[in-house]
Amino acid sequence: AQSVAQPEDQVNVAEGNPLTVKCTYSVSGNPYLFWYVQYPNRGLQFLLKYITGDNLVKGSYGFEAEFNKSQTSFHLKKPSALVSDSALYFCAVRGPGQNFVFGPGTRLSVLP
Amino acid sequence: SQTIHQWPATLVQPVGSPLSLECTVEGTSNPNLYWYRQAAGRGLQLLFYSVGIGQISSEVPQNLSASRPQDRQFILSSKKLLLSDSGFYLCAGMAPNVLTFGAGSRLTVL
Repeated sequence: AQSVAQPEDQVNVAEGNPLTVKCTYSVSGNPYLFWYVQYPNRGLQFLLKYITGDNLVKGSYGFEAEFNKSQTSFHLKKPSALVSDSALYFCAVRGPGQNFVFGPGTRLSVLP
Repeated sequence: SQTIHQWPATLVQPVGSPLSLECTVEGTSNPNLYWYRQAAGRGLQLLFYSVGIGQISSEVPQNLSASRPQDRQFILSSKKLLLSDSGFYLCAGMAPNVLTFGAGSRLTVL
C-alpha cells in the first residue's frame, strides 16, 4: 500500500532564508511524486512533480524538490523564502493505480 | 488545460437537511474525478472517485453518496446531514499525471 509521511507539522523560517519541507514515501513500483500548496480556504495548487529523469525537479514560484530513491524521500526546497510562501504544503504519491495518497500536510510560516 | 469548477463555495445547513455539491470539469474529456474532504485545514480524505459516467467507487462508508450523470459532472450528495459532515470539500480531476483541484466548498452543519 502507498503511504506518505510529512514528519514536521509546522516549519518556521525567516524571510530570505532557505526552506525545506520534508516528505518520505512508501510505494510499490516506481513512484510518481508531487507537491501541492494550499492557501487558506482555497483548493490545492500543483507545484511540481517527479515521474522520471533528473532527481532535482524545478517547479512553480521558485520551488524545487529532490528525489532520493535510497532514502525514499522527496523534500521540497526553496533557496530564499518569502512571507507569501506561508501556506499548507502537501506531498503526494501516486502508485500503480489511479489514486493519489496525500501526506498530512506541513504548515510553513515565513517570518518577516 | 483542465479547470475544475465547484459550487456552492460556502454552505450552512441544519442537521438532517439534504446536501448537493456540484463539480464540473472543463478542458478534458472522460477524466477520472475525485471528491475529497478536508477537516480542520489538514489532511485530505478521499471519499469517492469515478472513472466514467455512472461509475463510482466509495473509499469510506458514510452517509454521503456521489453520482456522475455526465462525463464532466460529479455530484456529492447526502439525504440527511450530520454534524460530522462539516468540512471543506474538494473536487479534483486527473489531467495527464497531475491532479487538478477546484476551489473547494465549505460546508458547516449546525
